[in-house]
Amino acid sequence: AQSVAQPEDQVNVAEGNPLTVKCTYSVSGNPYLFWYVQYPNRGLQFLLKYITGDNLVKGSYGFEAEFNKSQTSFHLKKPSALVSDSALYFCAVIMRFGAGTRLTVKP
Amino acid sequence: DTAVSQTPKYLVTQMGNDKSIKCEQNLGHDTMYWYKQDSKKFLKIMFSYNNKELIINETVPNRFSPKSPDKAHLNLHINSLELGDSAVYFCASSQLARGSTDTQYFGPGTRLTVL
Repeated sequence: AQSVAQPEDQVNVAEGNPLTVKCTYSVSGNPYLFWYVQYPNRGLQFLLKYITGDNLVKGSYGFEAEFNKSQTSFHLKKPSALVSDSALYFCAVIMRFGAGTRLTVKP
Repeated sequence: DTAVSQTPKYLVTQMGNDKSIKCEQNLGHDTMYWYKQDSKKFLKIMFSYNNKELIINETVPNRFSPKSPDKAHLNLHINSLELGDSAVYFCASSQLARGSTDTQYFGPGTRLTVL
């Protein structure tokens, strides 16, 4: 069975500070992992994905994610948060989505 | 130029009614999906179609019947609506079957409220 878990319902950071949104996975076979973002009253938008290769994946809007096989994690990161990054973030494997993490960036 | 579109955006109806939600994608993708997002924002796959053929049905009640007239369209018909059907329904598409390595493109969602 394929699944992902997002251990934090809510992450709060100050603008300009680095942010991390956590995701762990449980996958049989090769892990194909995704991050999506959902702004209020909108559909999900693709941020980035890990298929194979470099463990550090770069995506849209300055986001990146680090694939860690030994820790079965795929954490989303950004060096300097913006207020406009405030949204709901989903980690996913195939069609299984995590519960979502609400990121709030305060000015 | 909307890639994945859904109609209607909002749907308010009484318990027991039958309603449909339409989805269209202009990306030329082979696979389309329906997801349900509940009030806690949890997103769950309902159905997946590849080239008009049902490939995934995730233990969804028989009251829900997807229909794909062609690979660009995937409609969702719901019979005998119940209060628990209230949710936001998202359509999505991807290039490959099952979308295992493929990015999914989501529609804007249809907010269904059953009174």
